[in-house]
Amino acid sequence: GAGVSQSPSNKVTEKGKDVELRCDPISGHTALYWYRQSLGQGLEFLIYFQGNSAPDKSGLPSDRFSAERTGGSVSTLTIQRTQQEDSAVYLCASSLGRDREGQPQHFGDGTRLSIL
Amino acid sequence: EDKVVQSPLSLVVHEGDTVTLNCSYEVTNFRSLLWYKQEKKAPTFLFMLTSSGIEKKSGRLSSILDKKELFSILNITATQTGDSAIYLCAVEPYSGNTPLVFGKGTRLSVIA
Repeated sequence: GAGVSQSPSNKVTEKGKDVELRCDPISGHTALYWYRQSLGQGLEFLIYFQGNSAPDKSGLPSDRFSAERTGGSVSTLTIQRTQQEDSAVYLCASSLGRDREGQPQHFGDGTRLSIL
Repeated sequence: EDKVVQSPLSLVVHEGDTVTLNCSYEVTNFRSLLWYKQEKKAPTFLFMLTSSGIEKKSGRLSSILDKKELFSILNITATQTGDSAIYLCAVEPYSGNTPLVFGKGTRLSVIA
């Protein structure tokens, strides 16, 4: 597809379960970003991948959150032992690279995560 | 700490009105300011601004940046109900841990 693709679009799970969210960036985009958007809040940065470099994990809210990016393309965000405060929309974005001038991030439709 | 503040938080106007949305920021090593429109799902890119005083325009939308006073405005003329959305402002620093720092957005509702 032409845009950033995320799956699933919605996920409902019980507290304590693990969840995996997937992001497929725009073809050719080397940079991939994960954000979280809670009700009434702005987008909160979580983690960023640039090419094959080690990701910047400084935005992850706790050690229950992790992410990986295989082959420089698809990324998976994993939340272990989910808590109710993890309920949010998780948005993925990609760009041609943070080292490139004038390259905006383009967003997927997000995964709406609800923890019961 | 880098920060972006948008105002107003919400706005209701009638079709045909002109609106101005505000975004002020504090950031170390400013690189660019971006505006996005978010309807139901993905924020969609509107503008990227890097230089002061140069207006960017797309149809009825326009935006300008003031790097001295650290703010940007987004104007929408002759509003339509399809303009109803949350408008997000974000600042991109050259360095630091956060690639984009977002404001909380302005929720615009255009009523017929």
